Amino acid sequence: KAGVTQTPRYLIKTRGQQVTLSCSPISGHRSVSWYQQTPGQGLQFLFEYFSETQRNKGNFPGRFSGRQFSNSRSEMNVSTLELGDSALYLCASSRGQGTQPQHFGDGTRLSIL
Amino acid sequence: AQSVTQPDIHITVSEGASLELRCNYSYGATPYLFWYVQSPGQGLQLLLKYFSGDTLVQGIKGFEAEFKRSQSSFNLRKPSVHWSDAAEYFCAVGASNDYKLSFGAGTTVTVRA
Repeated sequence: KAGVTQTPRYLIKTRGQQVTLSCSPISGHRSVSWYQQTPGQGLQFLFEYFSETQRNKGNFPGRFSGRQFSNSRSEMNVSTLELGDSALYLCASSRGQGTQPQHFGDGTRLSIL
Repeated sequence: AQSVTQPDIHITVSEGASLELRCNYSYGATPYLFWYVQSPGQGLQLLLKYFSGDTLVQGIKGFEAEFKRSQSSFNLRKPSVHWSDAAEYFCAVGASNDYKLSFGAGTTVTVRA
């Protein structure tokens, strides 16, 4: 069974640009969550989607947005990139009932120059 | 709101020695508790989970954890550490109604020969 797939693995952008990250969940999983991991702030929850609906959102500015498609694949977008957005962005999927174990992808490493 | 504290930032153990990583959580109801491990450049791998029932849970790679409600703790243990256990370990807490995980700051484990 394939795991959670995130693309791309690495990305370099400059300040002011925007970026879109992609996540394909494990087959049969309908919930997709996104987390930001930085050395200073650790792992922070961004948002969670289930059946194309956002069910919860973390404390991030509106520059961070996401969506989920009918096949459960998800994308997150960050607009007007800032240096502080440099991070490892992790996607996790689960079946979606309650807090089922979340299975993580290997992440996208985003570097802002 | 739930929160997690991992008191030890870094632990060094000798190969073959036992390991215990501490985790304390704050949550009003019965939490869902998880331990994840992260190797450099990779995502999070689920080691074990506690939802309810037996307070001693077994996980992968020879790890176990014990839920102690009276102490609000969920400590991770391994009787004999292997060099491949060197990694960063994260404790996380979730709730059934908010679809997100809150992570501790992590404990880095170094294994010496």
